[in-house]
Amino acid sequence: AQSVTQLDSHVSVSEGTPVLLRCNYSSSYSPSLFWYVQHPNKGLQLLLKYTSAATLVKGINGFEAEFKKSETSFHLTKPSAHMSDAAEYFCVVSDHGGYSTLTFGKGTMLLVSP
Amino acid sequence: GAGVSQTPSNKVTEKGKYVELRCDPISGHTALYWYRQSLGQGPEFLIYFQGTGAADDSGLPNDRFFAVRPEGSVSTLKIQRTERGDSAVYLCASSLISPEYNEQFFGPGTRLTVL
Repeated sequence: AQSVTQLDSHVSVSEGTPVLLRCNYSSSYSPSLFWYVQHPNKGLQLLLKYTSAATLVKGINGFEAEFKKSETSFHLTKPSAHMSDAAEYFCVVSDHGGYSTLTFGKGTMLLVSP
Repeated sequence: GAGVSQTPSNKVTEKGKYVELRCDPISGHTALYWYRQSLGQGPEFLIYFQGTGAADDSGLPNDRFFAVRPEGSVSTLKIQRTERGDSAVYLCASSLISPEYNEQFFGPGTRLTVL
């Protein structure tokens, strides 16, 4: 069985400050891990993915995440927040690669203030 | 090219009615997935198609829910005798299939409200 825990339901930052969205996972196999972003009234968009290659993964819009097996974590970071980053972010795990089903966390709402 | 499309974008129905939700995947994507996203939650898996057949329907909550994909392209999610608890956003995604990872591309969803 696989599961994902997103440790914060809401994160508030000021524009230009760093972003940290925390995620812990549980998986019976070597997992694939993803972060998706959902802007209001828009579809889910893939930010980045980890599939057992490099543990530090770079994604779109300056986001990156580090896979830490010993901590079962896959936290999402960005050095400097932009107003357009305000959205809901989902950490996602898949046991068998991207063609299998995805298990989503409950989401973290990122709020960015000027 | 065109992404995943879903119709209708919004559906309001009364308790006990039957509804159909349509998903049009990206052309050439043989894998199709349905998810349900309730308020304040992440999407939850419902059913997965490889081609025309349902490869995994373990996420369907009960026998009121059914999905088809008769020609391996468009899929329809069908809900009988709707209940207020069925109110949610229903998301469809499609992807290629290969031994390696393939990104699932999501549609904008259908917001179902059962009164």
